[in-house]
Amino acid sequence: GAVVSQHPSRVICKSGTSVKIECRSLDFQATTMFWYRQFPKQSLMLMATSNEGSKATYEQGVEKDKFLINHASLTLSTLTVTSAHPEDSSFYICSATLGTGGPSPLHFGNGTRLTVT
Amino acid sequence: DQQVKQNSPSLSVQEGRISILNCDYTNSMFDYFLWYKKYPAEGPTFLISISSIKDKNEDGRFTVFLNKSAKHLSLHIVPSQPGDSAVYFCAVCLYSGAGSYQLTFGKGTKLSVIP
Repeated sequence: GAVVSQHPSRVICKSGTSVKIECRSLDFQATTMFWYRQFPKQSLMLMATSNEGSKATYEQGVEKDKFLINHASLTLSTLTVTSAHPEDSSFYICSATLGTGGPSPLHFGNGTRLTVT
Repeated sequence: DQQVKQNSPSLSVQEGRISILNCDYTNSMFDYFLWYKKYPAEGPTFLISISSIKDKNEDGRFTVFLNKSAKHLSLHIVPSQPGDSAVYFCAVCLYSGAGSYQLTFGKGTKLSVIP
């Protein structure tokens, strides 16, 4: 079945550095990918919608200059957390849909646990 | 204000019994509903979905019921198995017909199936 691969699964970085997270669709082409963030005991919050070949659409309250999204190909979207701070520590998850002619379920990566020290 | 509410943060059920997880939503325009299962340190896995034109969808041990007038959906798992122990997220969306859509998630219900 369709698989979404996310890398790295876990990263620890120092405050002020940048971290890149990759999201790949392995068995299908994903024109649209989504980036979510989850705080402990909270729901998955949509951060942005990543569209291949165009600018990402950010949700209200999400800083586009801080969370840089690049969707350069039909199988790869990246999220870069720039100048990370401890409050950026969270679980980041990407997802993609086959999106073929009707609602299809989102397939999620396994997430990236970011810890900023 | 939460658009999707899962009012029970946790649920414990004996193995072999029925697990019922509930979800309420506020916007009657939502037309597609999904349930996801999530293990710790993993991404959510799609479980089952239902569109607004139906009131029931069944897949093996999993059945989703939709009550549009009450803006309520539920997931029934029967019989429950220890491997079902996980966090279950309800998700809703307004499908645009353009091949992509956004999901709004509830906070999840942690199900524990006791052997």
